[in-house]
Amino acid sequence: DIPMTQSPSTLSASVGDRVTITCRASQSISILLAWYQQKRGKPPKLLIYKASTLESGVPSRFSGSGSGTEFTLTIAGLQPDDFATYYCQQYKTYSSFGQGTKVEIK
Amino acid sequence: EVQLVESGGGLVQPGGSLRLSCAASGFTFSIYWMHWVRQAPGKGLVWVSRIIGDGSSTTSADAVRGRFTISRDNAKNMLYLQMNSLRVEDTAVYYCARDRDGGDGYNAWGQGTLVTVSS
Repeated sequence: DIPMTQSPSTLSASVGDRVTITCRASQSISILLAWYQQKRGKPPKLLIYKASTLESGVPSRFSGSGSGTEFTLTIAGLQPDDFATYYCQQYKTYSSFGQGTKVEIK
Repeated sequence: EVQLVESGGGLVQPGGSLRLSCAASGFTFSIYWMHWVRQAPGKGLVWVSRIIGDGSSTTSADAVRGRFTISRDNAKNMLYLQMNSLRVEDTAVYYCARDRDGGDGYNAWGQGTLVTVSS
């Protein structure tokens, strides 16, 4: 098991803001990390895989970076549709998710 | 269109059993790893179990190992999760999910089925 730690747990932001979420792995996972967006009552949606590759159809304002144990998800210019909870996931060894970061309206 | 539809959730007493199903369509089911992921009410995502495309290899999380069994029927495009010795802490929405090509994350998810374990 590779525990994943996200920060912050909650983030208050306004439309147009640039927001950054951090995810840390307890051991190196290379770039085997994905990011998901989840809205209330819906399943997660894959945004980014291999730490920085944008899934098809995902807006370019989303970007990911990092390798090893530290990763970031950045939303450049927050849109109303982006208020949601975001999860990181490692898939180097089986799978495990971070605890989530809720992006809420300031 | 890729579709995953879960069924089989419901209310069960502690110690009881339940079998979840996930009907897959719109893709070649037999070549993909499939997964179960759960989410307790108001909580985060937790990976539960996975199975290789031909069903020959499975892995489960420590919390469910020995109680839950993942399986698949490729002829019917169906994924299953047999859950035995259920505990209150197994209460959650259970999602089935499909690997991306190449195994980088899960790019298809069902809508989930709610399992409630309570007396």
